[in-house]
Amino acid sequence: EPEVTQTPSHQVTQMGQEVILRCVPISNHLYFYWYRQILGQKVEFLVSFYNNEISEKSEIFDDQFSVERPDGSNFTLKIRSTKLEDSAMYFCASSEGGTVNTEAFFGQGTRLTVV
Amino acid sequence: AQRVTQPEKLLSVFKGAPVELKCNYSYSGSPELFWYVQYSRQRLQLLLRHISRESIKGFTADLNKGETSFHLKKPFAQEEDSAMYYCALTNFGNEKLTFGTGTRLTIIP
Repeated sequence: EPEVTQTPSHQVTQMGQEVILRCVPISNHLYFYWYRQILGQKVEFLVSFYNNEISEKSEIFDDQFSVERPDGSNFTLKIRSTKLEDSAMYFCASSEGGTVNTEAFFGQGTRLTVV
Repeated sequence: AQRVTQPEKLLSVFKGAPVELKCNYSYSGSPELFWYVQYSRQRLQLLLRHISRESIKGFTADLNKGETSFHLKKPFAQEEDSAMYYCALTNFGNEKLTFGTGTRLTIIP
């Protein structure tokens, strides 16, 4: 069964450093998402991406964050200058036809620890 | 603003007993509601959605617009139902899923 895969599974970085979290969505999917979950809190939407551009973003997704689909298979989340409060589990997801009409499939997550 | 409330952080139920996981939402338009489940050491996955009105693994959920609720129910709990359950909401024209804080369900053998 096709899966969304994320690398790395765990990333430790120093405050102020840039990190790139990588995701390979399911191959025929057209919509891509990033969510995050700070320990003990709810899963929060960061951004959605469709047709090579951001379709929606939350207030969390400020200028420090960016997303890219550099080739036909990868979808990346970049945090330019990490802060301690960026420590969280980051989930990538993809769907074939959008969240309402088709299932969003989630990756297993990348745990980001900022020290 | 969209909001999803799951009042119970933890819920323990004996095997064979009925299960009800509560979910209330606030949204002014016509929402689409979902239940996602995360079993131990597995990824978040869709359990069921309001729009398809199906029963998955014996679970059902009815959207009650008057009470703004979408409670998840199962008549007879099984040990394999132990997991984290998240209620989520979106609406047409919107890609964002808004999640509740989740309920950890433990089935006691």
